[in-house]
Amino acid sequence: GAVVSQHPSWVICKSGTSVKIECRSLDFQATTMFWYRQFPKQSLMLMATSNEGSKATYEQGVEKDKFLINHASLTLSTLTVTSAHPEDSSFYICSAPPGDTEAFFGQGTRLTVV
Amino acid sequence: GQNIDQPTEMTATEGAIVQINCTYQTSGFNGLFWYQQHAGEAPTFLSYNVLDGLEEKGRFSSFLSRSKGYSYLLLKELQMKDSASYLCAVKDSNYQLIWGAGTKLIIKP
Repeated sequence: GAVVSQHPSWVICKSGTSVKIECRSLDFQATTMFWYRQFPKQSLMLMATSNEGSKATYEQGVEKDKFLINHASLTLSTLTVTSAHPEDSSFYICSAPPGDTEAFFGQGTRLTVV
Repeated sequence: GQNIDQPTEMTATEGAIVQINCTYQTSGFNGLFWYQQHAGEAPTFLSYNVLDGLEEKGRFSSFLSRSKGYSYLLLKELQMKDSASYLCAVKDSNYQLIWGAGTKLIIKP
């Protein structure tokens, strides 16, 4: 199946700093990438959809200026959490839908802001 | 609004059978997925149903009834490694995945 590689797997950063998370499609081209956030014991919540060559689409309630998404190429999408605060600590996962069926997920990034 | 309901937590015994139910109300339907997620890891794909009926894949089976907005995941011959959260997700009319909150399955020896 298709492979999506996400880095880093975990990161600890100081409050007020920025963190970049990368998501790469290794064996296919992804014109679209979904970014999810998951708090402990809760479901996956779609944050935004990145689109290669155009602006990302953000879900209601997600701050565009805080969660910067860039889809630089057909194989790379990045999520930057700017001026991170402890409440941004969460599990962030990207996924790409290469076809009509299953979505393929990255490994996820555990972000802890201290 | 769109809504997917699953039980929060279930407990079963090693070697037994367990059924995890999922009911949904979404704007359109283009398929229902079941994923397994271990704590701190990304979800892994288990099954996909788009037509009514039962899909069997080894120890796991998934059933769909579109008229009832209902699905279940059946796990047989439970093993300790099956302890995980099981997520139900529906692809709506915009082909966007709507996720349930997940069912935490606890397997006891």
